[in-house]
Amino acid sequence: EIVMTQSPATLSVSPGERATLSCRASQSVSINLAWYQQNPGRAPRLLIYTTSTRATGVPARFSGSGSGTGFTLTISSLQSEDFAVYYCQQYNNWPYTFGQGTKLEIK
Amino acid sequence: EVQLVESGGGLVQPGRSLRLSCTTSGFTFGDYAMIWVRQAPGKGLNWVGFIRSKAFGGTIEYAPSVKGRFTISRDDSKSTAYLQMNSLKTEDTAVYYCARSILTEWVTPNDYWGQGTLVTVSS
Repeated sequence: EIVMTQSPATLSVSPGERATLSCRASQSVSINLAWYQQNPGRAPRLLIYTTSTRATGVPARFSGSGSGTGFTLTISSLQSEDFAVYYCQQYNNWPYTFGQGTKLEIK
Repeated sequence: EVQLVESGGGLVQPGRSLRLSCTTSGFTFGDYAMIWVRQAPGKGLNWVGFIRSKAFGGTIEYAPSVKGRFTISRDDSKSTAYLQMNSLKTEDTAVYYCARSILTEWVTPNDYWGQGTLVTVSS
């Protein structure tokens, strides 16, 4: 099973600033990597897939990069609605696996 | 409008069974893979399994933690996916989500999700 490790566990950033979230895979997942956003009590929302493709309706301030074992989600200018928990997920090998999540909180 | 609604959750004793349903509308259900993901209280997301569309063989896979106890199925005529959970354990306590694949030929990622249904396994 591929282990996905996200860092940091919690990230404190001020509105309007840039946030950079990291995700590392225990073995290569090629570009088969997605990012989800989750607010408390809500279902996950797909943000990014195949490492860098924004899902429908996702603002351009969200971008993804990386390949192989190292990936990054960048939010260029944080809005109030962006403070949530973010999960990466690999879908290169079954069982597909999520990272443990990064909580993005207001500084 | 695409909608997914889970139902069937509740309180159940260890060792007992429960069946969850994921009723959908707004898209051609039979064309898409459906997945189940769960989230224990205060914890992260974990895969339960998936079922592909019949066009892609109807393949079913399970996470190791539920294999042999859970069964995923689908009824395309009812636009509904099911999760039959047997021999439930306390560690199966979670919110269970169903979701649709973003593309018909893929299992994941998943762009439309239900609101989740809470399953509590406790004596």
